[in-house]
Amino acid sequence: AQTVTQSQPEMSVQEAETVTLSCTYDTSESDYYLFWYKQPPSRQMILVIRQEAYKQQNATENRFSVNFQKAAKSFSLKISDSQLGDAAMYFCAYARDDKIIFGKGTRLHILP
Amino acid sequence: GAVVSQHPSWVICKSGTSVKIECRSLDFQATTMFWYRQFPKQSLMLMATSNEGSKATYEQGVEKDKFLINHASLTLSTLTVTSAHPEDSSFYICSAIPGGSNEKLFFGSGTQLSVL
Repeated sequence: AQTVTQSQPEMSVQEAETVTLSCTYDTSESDYYLFWYKQPPSRQMILVIRQEAYKQQNATENRFSVNFQKAAKSFSLKISDSQLGDAAMYFCAYARDDKIIFGKGTRLHILP
Repeated sequence: GAVVSQHPSWVICKSGTSVKIECRSLDFQATTMFWYRQFPKQSLMLMATSNEGSKATYEQGVEKDKFLINHASLTLSTLTVTSAHPEDSSFYICSAIPGGSNEKLFFGSGTQLSVL
């Protein structure tokens, strides 16, 4: 069965600094999607970034980028120039067919 | 971008009553919708997968008779918590996939259920 592991329950970063959130997953499939979702205090789930497993190029969305290591089954999220609005719970997710599996999340604190 | 509307945002009910939560895709057709439950400071737990026109597929441990899911159209899925009890109090979130592909998954804003 597929699993998603986020080993950092909480992290803190100074405003304007860079932080990396870790995510590993386990699957025997070769074609799938990986996501990072942000859940702020409003609890609305917001898509941060998406990676297609068959694409070797790491996805980038403005200040957010991923380091996708398919062989290592690793999918980390880098947030550059951290802003106060980035404070939230971040969930890594794996999706294939009709299934999407979430990690337990990492709570990110931004220190002013 | 695609919008998923979930209603109500908040509901308080007495123990033993039933509560219906609606999830609508406003600008796309969603052949598949998902229902999640989220406890405080925890991740989303998939309860069931809802496909338009067919019975929902429930995850192991989720009571089908307690959590009734209906996906009657390509834009609407409902979750009914029947005979609610305090332990059913939780945050419920729906999500939908446009066009049946899990390339993008859009979430509703969630429903906080409190059972007295």
